[in-house]
Amino acid sequence: DVKVTQSSRYLVKRTGEKVFLECVQDMDHENMFWYRQDPGLGLRLIYFSYDVKMKEKGDIPEGYSVSREKKERFSLILESASTNQTSMYLCASSLRARGDIQYFGAGTRLSVL
Amino acid sequence: AQSVAQPEDQVNVAEGNPLTVKCTYSVSGNPYLFWYVQYPNRGLQFLLKYITGDNLVKGSYGFEAEFNKSQTSFHLKKPSALVSDSALYFCAVRDGGYNKLIFGAGTRLAVHP
Repeated sequence: DVKVTQSSRYLVKRTGEKVFLECVQDMDHENMFWYRQDPGLGLRLIYFSYDVKMKEKGDIPEGYSVSREKKERFSLILESASTNQTSMYLCASSLRARGDIQYFGAGTRLSVL
Repeated sequence: AQSVAQPEDQVNVAEGNPLTVKCTYSVSGNPYLFWYVQYPNRGLQFLLKYITGDNLVKGSYGFEAEFNKSQTSFHLKKPSALVSDSALYFCAVRDGGYNKLIFGAGTRLAVHP
């Protein structure tokens, strides 16, 4: 089974802190994604990566950055956390083949106080 | 631009009755359509997808979905609902390359005993 592991289930941070969310997948997938999930808005794509060191902005990249130094690991960075970044963050991965499904981690619920 | 809509925030069904969760889409070209389910405090799990072929797609846990090109719909169905089907359901459409997805806002399914 594909496994996508997010390092934390719950995080509480202070405004202005630098926050790292880590995601690791064990299936040698080329593509990795970071979403945030908010009630009534569904999932919105923050950033994705299609290869090591390659990244593309999604629909809501402002206030975020990402890092992919190894194929299995994709990190989301909040440079200076703000209260409006309080949300559920979901990581996913997929193969490159067209139409392949995305596999999701359990999510990290981040609260910024 | 690609988009997907889930017109119902919540669907209530009695156990044993058939259920339908609605999804409509707008894409240029042929759509790649997906359904995912999210149980409380969990990530998303893949249910089924339509890429091409038979308009009736069968998926996990007894769910199926019907692709209707003329109505641009991809409704999720199950002949007999279970209480354990209660969850948040997301419809998604592939958006360009790298298997990016655009998600609907989600529909909460409540199955009552």
